[in-house]
Amino acid sequence: KQEVTQIPAALSVPEGENLVLNCSFTDSAIYNLQWFRQDPGKGLTSLLLIQSSQREQTSGRLNASLDKSSGRSTLYIAASQPGDSATYLCAVKDFNKFYFGSGTKLNVKP
Amino acid sequence: GAVVSQHPSRVICKSGTSVKIECRSLDFQATTMFWYRQFPKQSLMLMATSNEGSKATYEQGVEKDKFLINHASLTLSTLTVTSAHPEDSSFYICSAQTGPEAFFGQGTRLTVV
Repeated sequence: KQEVTQIPAALSVPEGENLVLNCSFTDSAIYNLQWFRQDPGKGLTSLLLIQSSQREQTSGRLNASLDKSSGRSTLYIAASQPGDSATYLCAVKDFNKFYFGSGTKLNVKP
Repeated sequence: GAVVSQHPSRVICKSGTSVKIECRSLDFQATTMFWYRQFPKQSLMLMATSNEGSKATYEQGVEKDKFLINHASLTLSTLTVTSAHPEDSSFYICSAQTGPEAFFGQGTRLTVV
């Protein structure tokens, strides 16, 4: 069964720092990997989707990479802002369903 | 991106009553929708996969008679929590897929008193 782990569980950084969130998964036979953002008490907002054949995706200050063979993905956030404070979830998808990590709670201090 | 609307966002109900949660894909058709449950400070747990026009597929350990799922159209799936008890209190989130990407509703905070 696929298991997804996210490290660190929580991260606090000063505004302006660049940071990296990590996601690892045990089964490399994935269809795609998606990064989400969740604000307290809210649903999930899709940030980036990486297909299994791709190695990275970029959107604005966000860059996500995927190394299927090692079972790892990273989400890089450049020039962090207080508005980036949220919980970040990664999810890997096999043919049928998503498997979620437990998330990294990010706090960006002004 | 595509929009998934979930209603209600919050509901408080008495123990023993039933509660219905709706999930709509507003600008696309979704042949498959997913229902998740999220406990405080934990990740999402898949409860069931809902396919339009057919019975839902439930994950192991999820009571299908307690969590009734109906996917009556390509834009609407409903989750009914029957005979709710306080332990059913949780955050429920639906998801719909278009192409390779999944989009999520805003979630429903259910409190059973």
